[in-house]
Amino acid sequence: DTGVSQNPRHKITKRGQNVTFRCDPISEHNRLYWYRQTLGQGPEFLTYFQNEAQLEKSRLLSDRFSAERPKGSFSTLEIQRTEQGDSAMYLCASSITWEQYFGPGTRLTVT
Amino acid sequence: GQQVMQIPQYQHVQEGEDFTTYCNSSTTLSNIQWYKQRPGGHPVFLIQLVKSGEVKKQKRLTFQFGEAKKNSSLHITATQTTDVGTYFCAGLPSGGYQKVTFGTGTKLQVIP
Repeated sequence: DTGVSQNPRHKITKRGQNVTFRCDPISEHNRLYWYRQTLGQGPEFLTYFQNEAQLEKSRLLSDRFSAERPKGSFSTLEIQRTEQGDSAMYLCASSITWEQYFGPGTRLTVT
Repeated sequence: GQQVMQIPQYQHVQEGEDFTTYCNSSTTLSNIQWYKQRPGGHPVFLIQLVKSGEVKKQKRLTFQFGEAKKNSSLHITATQTTDVGTYFCAGLPSGGYQKVTFGTGTKLQVIP
């Protein structure tokens, strides 16, 4: 399968714990995006990488969120001290131009 | 910040009827994209529009970009049950920004 993959697909954690998600983009795609989507809403932009450089980060993101893309390949999104409001689907997308290919997402539930 | 609104929020149509969703941005766009998300699935890219007044067609789907590059529409002719899903527009603001803002989405239900 040469599409975008995300792991884990589901994560249940207790409030206050840290979680880390991984995204593996399509191999030749240099652009990578993270989004958050809650039920009935459109994907909400979190951050954008071009190769290994993080070029944009949403002002909506608190300091508890951090993302990395070492070597411009896979990316990780970490949420520290999770809160119930962080429960959502976290989507990763990759692209060469502006056409984004989305992964299946990681569904996070904070109890 | 940039806001992208879509109307209607929901639309129920009989199979064979036409459907249109409208997308409006608070700021001028460099380009606009449309995505479809099936229930339980992830967004899938449909098309990108770049030029002012541009119209593109994909079989029964017609996409239009407004002259001012602040609005767009998606029209589906003779809907089928396979058209069910939520349709999102996503705008990239002009000015060299990289942040794509997704619209609020229009959920289409097709009644057979």
